[in-house]
Amino acid sequence: GENVEQHPSTLSVQEGDSAVIKCTYSDSASNYFPWYKQELGKGPQLIIDIRSNVGEKKDQRIAVTLNKTAKHFSLHITETQPEDSAVYFCAALGKAGTALIFGKGTTLSVSS
Amino acid sequence: NAGVMQNPRHLVRRRGQEARLRCSPMKGHSHVYWYRQLPEEGLKFMVYLQKENIIDESGMPKERFSAEFPKEGPSILRIQQVVRGDSAAYFCASSPRAGPDEKLFFGSGTQLSVL
Repeated sequence: GENVEQHPSTLSVQEGDSAVIKCTYSDSASNYFPWYKQELGKGPQLIIDIRSNVGEKKDQRIAVTLNKTAKHFSLHITETQPEDSAVYFCAALGKAGTALIFGKGTTLSVSS
Repeated sequence: NAGVMQNPRHLVRRRGQEARLRCSPMKGHSHVYWYRQLPEEGLKFMVYLQKENIIDESGMPKERFSAEFPKEGPSILRIQQVVRGDSAAYFCASSPRAGPDEKLFFGSGTQLSVL
């Protein structure tokens, strides 16, 4: 089945710096790649997603890039703020196309 | 419009007891997904249901676990004869349309602790 690897597992940055989280996936048929943010004690929340027909998508300080040939996609957060501190999960649509398969998460800490 | 509601937030069970986790999807959502989260393990897919139907249960353990989403009422994840390894956070998510390539709305989870 689909396997999603996510790196790094923890990331510490200074406020104002950029943060990059990378994921690779195994199923070349996957065509949908969302990113979720989970704050302490809460459920994950979708922050951005990308489909396989585009290579990049931006939403204010957040961007996602996709390289289908290499089967990897990345989350870029610019001008980080303390409220960006959370666990971030990447995901890809599984082989059956019915469920998202998540990476193990990246704990991002932004210090002021 | 209330979000996805899960209850209880915390559930403590002794080994061998049954655990029942409830999930009320957002209004108008007829698709429900259950995920299990272990520390440093990410979210593991368990089951995908539509009203009265199980669509994909490929992530469910073959024994002791079952899920339902009746025509009326919440979705229920049931774990019989719980063991310590069942301790985890269980999240439910809902979507208004078929397939998870639509936005999933997650609840705040149920933290199950097995003593």
